[in-house]
Amino acid sequence: AQTVTQSQPEMSVQEAETVTLSCTYDTSESNYYLFWYKQPPSRQMILVIRQEAYKQQNATENRFSVNFQKAAKSFSLKISDSQLGDTAMYFCASNKISNFGNEKLTFGTGTRLTIIP
Amino acid sequence: GAVVSQHPSWVICKSGTSVKIECRSLDFQATTMFWYRQFPKQSLMLMATSNEGSKATYEQGVEKDKFLINHASLTLSTLTVTSAHPEDSSFYICSASRVSNQPQHFGDGTRLSIL
Repeated sequence: AQTVTQSQPEMSVQEAETVTLSCTYDTSESNYYLFWYKQPPSRQMILVIRQEAYKQQNATENRFSVNFQKAAKSFSLKISDSQLGDTAMYFCASNKISNFGNEKLTFGTGTRLTIIP
Repeated sequence: GAVVSQHPSWVICKSGTSVKIECRSLDFQATTMFWYRQFPKQSLMLMATSNEGSKATYEQGVEKDKFLINHASLTLSTLTVTSAHPEDSSFYICSASRVSNQPQHFGDGTRLSIL
C-alpha cells in the first residue's frame, strides 16, 4: 500500500518569488513513480512533473523542479519565479510501476498555493 | 489538446434518478481507466479501476451497486450513479494512460449536483 502526505494545507508567496511545497510518502514497492499535479480553479488536473524512483537525478520542467530524497521518502516541489497562473491546488501523488499495465494513483491531501501580485 | 474527454461537465438532477457519466480516450485505446471522486476542498479518492471487457475493481467502501461501471470498448468507460441522492453530489473525474506506465491524462471532470 502507498500513502502520500502533504503537511501544508495552504501557502502563499509573492509573485516572482520561489516557493517549495512538501510531500512525504510511504510505500512497500521497490519501484514507483512520484508526481506533482496542479488543479487550478477550473478543476482540470494538470501534470506538472514526474519522477521515477530508480533515477537519482531530480526531475526538472522549466520553472518546476523536485528535490527527491529517496531514503527520507521525501519529494518536494520547487517553483521558481512564481507567476499568477501558478495559483492552484497542488497534489503530490504516487503509483507503482507495473509490468501489467497502468496502476492507480494515490494522492496527498493537497496544498493550496496562492501567488500574490 | 485534450486526450481524455469526459461528459457531461455538469449535471443537476432530482433525487432518485440515475446519472451516467462518460469517459472517452481520444485517439488511443485504454484497457484501463480510473474513476475518482473529489469533495470540495479535498483530494481525489479512487473509486474504482475500470477494465475493458471485465468487471471493474472497486475500492474498499465503494458500493458496486450504487456506482455501476461499464468499460465496453477500448475507448469508453461509463460510470452510472444509480438512484442518486444529495450525498452523492460531488466532482467525478476519470483518467487513462496512453501507454502503459506513462502519466495518466485526466478528463475535465463532472460536477454532479443532486437536489
